[in-house]
Order: sequence, then C-alpha cells, then structure tokens
Amino acid sequence: TAGITQAPTSQILAAGRSMTLRCTQDMRHNAMYWYRQDLGLGLRLIHYSNTAGTTGKGEVPDGYSVSRANTDDFPLTLASAVPSQTSVYFCASSGKGTDSYNEQFFGPGTRLTVL
Amino acid sequence: GQSLEQPSEVTAVEGAIVQINCTYQTSGFYGLSWYQQHDGGAPTFLSYNALDGLEETGRFSSFLSRSDSYGYLLLQELQMKDSASYFCAVRDEAYNQGGKLIFGQGTELSVKP
Repeated sequence: TAGITQAPTSQILAAGRSMTLRCTQDMRHNAMYWYRQDLGLGLRLIHYSNTAGTTGKGEVPDGYSVSRANTDDFPLTLASAVPSQTSVYFCASSGKGTDSYNEQFFGPGTRLTVL
Repeated sequence: GQSLEQPSEVTAVEGAIVQINCTYQTSGFYGLSWYQQHDGGAPTFLSYNALDGLEETGRFSSFLSRSDSYGYLLLQELQMKDSASYFCAVRDEAYNQGGKLIFGQGTELSVKP
C-alpha cells in the first residue's frame, strides 16, 4: 500500500518561477493537508481540504494555492516563488470524524529550494 | 495567540524513562496528538488524547489534563531507535471545521547508550 506519495522529492527553483507540488493518497481519506516545515518552527499548515471540492486556508497560506478536484489528489501551487518559500513541504491526509482528524498520515515530503 | 510549548531537546540513556511535556494555549480544544519524526522524514502518528487521563500504547503513553492545558508523552524502556523529534499538536476547531492541527516546535530526543 502506497499511502501518500509526493512529487518531486526535491527541487531547486528560480525565484519568480511557478511550481506545483503533487500529492496523491490511496486511502480514500476525505481530508488532506499541506504543511511546511522550517528549522525551529515545527509544522505549519498552509492549506487544507475537508472533502473533495472544498479547500480552506491554514496558518501560512500567502503565496500558495490548492485545488481538490477529486478525493485522491491535492496539488499545491506556488505561483511566483520567493526565497522565503524554501522549506520542506509535507502533504498529509486523515479520515473524517472527531477522532480521525487527529490521526494524520504524512507523505515523504518535498524539499524545495528557491534561489 | 495560539501556541504550544515543549522543550527543544531532551537526552536520556537507553533503557530509561523519559517524559516530554507540552503546554498549550488555543482558542478551542478538540484533542492533543503526538507525532514522531526521524531525521526529517515523514512524521508518524503516535497517540491522541481527547479526554483527561492516560492512554497507553506499548512503550509509549500519553497523558492529558484539560484543566491545566497540559499533556505529556512518556516513553519507557528507551531504545536507540527512539532518537527522533517528537511533536505535540492540538486540534482547535470543532468537527465541522475539519482537522486543522497546530503543532508545537518539537522536542529532539537523543538516546545515549
């Protein structure tokens, strides 16, 4: 079972360029999330989706957009990358429900460097 | 603002017991979770407390006191493989608002032989 896959594993991106980070899950989870992890700052939520067709903003949404066309995929787009978006990006998913929301399953991460 | 506080690092010896504390200040509370992360890999879920008390899962236990806005993760019979970062996380919104988690900054646990 794959769980959650992310692509690419790592990327170096020139400032001002756009990029889409891909995330796919095969657990039929309703909810999906995008986090960024920076040294000393833990995991911060960028955007989330409680179910296909809906999305919401997390703690640090500026400069990012997401879409949720179906249950399995939740891409994250940087329209015009800036160096402060250099980070490790984790996609996660969870079942729907009071208890299930607290148990999130994470992908392997994408390490992005913006120069 | 909303915040979770946990120690930045803890060191213990193999076979010992270690406790990692977490205090939180959030607008709402719908559960305290713990996650483990090895060397920047994917965080993995360890445990979850919605109600006061102790939850035990093998060598790991997690405790919650909602009146004190406090919880801890207890690791027993420490093994070298337990060396990792441990994050507490709070869900601060109700069921119909989804599963947004607020994470602490993490505690790096080093287990020495």
